[in-house]
Amino acid sequence: DQQVKQNSPSLSVQEGRISILNCDYTNSMFDYFLWYKKYPAEGPTFLISISSIKDKNEDGRFTVFLNKSAKHLSLHIVPSQPGDSAVYFCAASVDNAGNMLTFGGGTRLMVKP
Amino acid sequence: NAGVTQTPKFRILKIGQSMTLQCAQDMNHNYMYWYRQDPGMGLKLIYYSVGAGITDKGEVPNGYNVSRSTTEDFPLRLELAAPSQTSVYFCASSAQQGYGYTFGSGTRLTVV
Repeated sequence: DQQVKQNSPSLSVQEGRISILNCDYTNSMFDYFLWYKKYPAEGPTFLISISSIKDKNEDGRFTVFLNKSAKHLSLHIVPSQPGDSAVYFCAASVDNAGNMLTFGGGTRLMVKP
Repeated sequence: NAGVTQTPKFRILKIGQSMTLQCAQDMNHNYMYWYRQDPGMGLKLIYYSVGAGITDKGEVPNGYNVSRSTTEDFPLRLELAAPSQTSVYFCASSAQQGYGYTFGSGTRLTVV
């Protein structure tokens, strides 16, 4: 049973437009959410996070939105750039649980010039 | 500052062979983790450690063992390699609760 799901395995967007990556979760105990970005042959790198006490967190071109009632979070990238082309993983954790992250299956984003 | 270093980067094993995947971090992080990534399946937690001398199983521990004798090192041992263990393995560390992970660059393992 996947507790964190990314239902879109891939997404293609034109340069300059908005990219929206979605993530759903089932465990209501999750209280911290993160997005990671992964290039081929490299490890994932941390992108942005949000605590369950917030519904939005912004960092430059990246904004994460959290809808706790729907158990849904999304990552918005505006404007999208070709260098954003990568696999994006959402992840979630429960406080006081060894800081273990549960990851979604990833969404491959392709930003076309 | 190297961060998290994994060795080797690639390895081919025959069924039944054993090997140790090395992971070292130089950030004095207490928490360390081993994940495997299978295509389209995201990352699955194998084992984790909250400090030297303390380890615990994750979601998919069968066929693996770990040890944490120092804060810096967290090796992953495969005793009897099986084709199902063909995967990309990532080691990660974090400072404390609520902080994101720093990942190594991964070890691509093929068991034939």
